[in-house]
Amino acid sequence: KAGVTQTPRYLIKTRGQQVTLSCSPISGHRSVSWYQQTPGQGLQFLFEYFSETQRNKGNFPGRFSGRQFSNSRSEMNVSTLELGDSALYLCASSFGTANYGYTFGSGTRLTVV
Amino acid sequence: DQQVKQNSPSLSVQEGRISILNCDYTNSMFDYFLWYKKYPAEGPTFLISISSIKDKNEDGRFTVFLNKSAKHLSLHIVPSQPGDSAVYFCAASEWSGGGADGLTFGKGTHLIIQP
Repeated sequence: KAGVTQTPRYLIKTRGQQVTLSCSPISGHRSVSWYQQTPGQGLQFLFEYFSETQRNKGNFPGRFSGRQFSNSRSEMNVSTLELGDSALYLCASSFGTANYGYTFGSGTRLTVV
Repeated sequence: DQQVKQNSPSLSVQEGRISILNCDYTNSMFDYFLWYKKYPAEGPTFLISISSIKDKNEDGRFTVFLNKSAKHLSLHIVPSQPGDSAVYFCAASEWSGGGADGLTFGKGTHLIIQP
């Protein structure tokens, strides 16, 4: 079966711009979570969506937002980009909660210049 | 404050020997633990998990041990194979309200299997 698909794979944006990242989960998975990976902080939880509702949110500023559609696809938006937002953004889907074990996508590498 | 710590950034092990990756946590509310493996340019892959009601879980060559009193878990890989060379992440979760929060990850240990 198809895995978790993230688009685009690479993105370069200018400071102050906004960006939207997309994630298509594995068919049948209703939970989609987003993580930011940086060399200094490792993998950090952004938020989780389940059945179109944000169920949990990590400790990130309000510039980071997301949504989930009725087909479970999810988008993540970052407004007013800062240099420190440069990171690998990983989407993960699971049948239920994180304890079922996520399936991660390959990520979107965002570079802010 | 890092709640999940992997104190060894890298570990080198001879092929065929045992690899032991360690992880410590500080949050006593964590009750579920997972290990993920990551190759370059790919997302992490779920390996094995353990609930806090157990102290050991095995899956083929992989065994995870949990010592709740020490807030310590370890992943044993026996025997180690070249394809095991990757970054290994320890992760933990706690149940809150109606569901689990996101996972809290350690910063990873780069395992290198030497031929």
